[in-house]
Amino acid sequence: GAGVSQSPSNKVTEKGKDVELRCDPISGHTALYWYRQSLGQGLEFLIYFQGNSAPDKSGLPSDRFSAERTGGSVSTLTIQRTQQEDSAVYLCASSLRQGAFSPLHFGNGTRLTVT
Amino acid sequence: GIQVEQSPPDLILQEGANSTLRCNFSDSVNNLQWFHQNPWGQLINLFYIPSGTKQNGRLSATTVATERYSLLYISSSQTTDSGVYFCAVPYSGGGADGLTFGKGTHLIIQP
Repeated sequence: GAGVSQSPSNKVTEKGKDVELRCDPISGHTALYWYRQSLGQGLEFLIYFQGNSAPDKSGLPSDRFSAERTGGSVSTLTIQRTQQEDSAVYLCASSLRQGAFSPLHFGNGTRLTVT
Repeated sequence: GIQVEQSPPDLILQEGANSTLRCNFSDSVNNLQWFHQNPWGQLINLFYIPSGTKQNGRLSATTVATERYSLLYISSSQTTDSGVYFCAVPYSGGGADGLTFGKGTHLIIQP
């Protein structure tokens, strides 16, 4: 596609429910990143994929968070048993080459609200 | 991991003014990127600038990797320049990992 696509754009869920966030990177981009941005804050790194593998999972806040990427393309970030502190904008980015050797392009994010 | 500090945290200017935003980082890096987040939350990559100087219209950026800083210049500011400006460097400096972001400079351009 023309840019990084994320869905849904907004998600409201009840505390304790599971949610799934989707990211469709720019075609041909091998690297994919998930970040989280709380209101008025900077970007918190969550996880990074090179192809289908995730060499760095250190940023995931807890074991309720998991992510996968299939076919070297679409990625899904899953949050189980959501808590109110999970409320944030979840941003996905992709880049052409591994790691930080090429510009990052961000999607518009998924705004998650846990009530 | 590498620490990134941006200054100033907030900046309010009149339309037409020039500004300089600074990004300091704690260790050697082989990559640095500047981003603009507009008031609607969209993040746009402005520059991929591991070293040297680049210009794009009214914006330019300079990275002095040996002295561990980068500068973003905005000339003849417009209200559409408002938003938060972030710089980001590789977590471990080497590039084969994700980017860590500074806390940003919140810029407001008043008409």
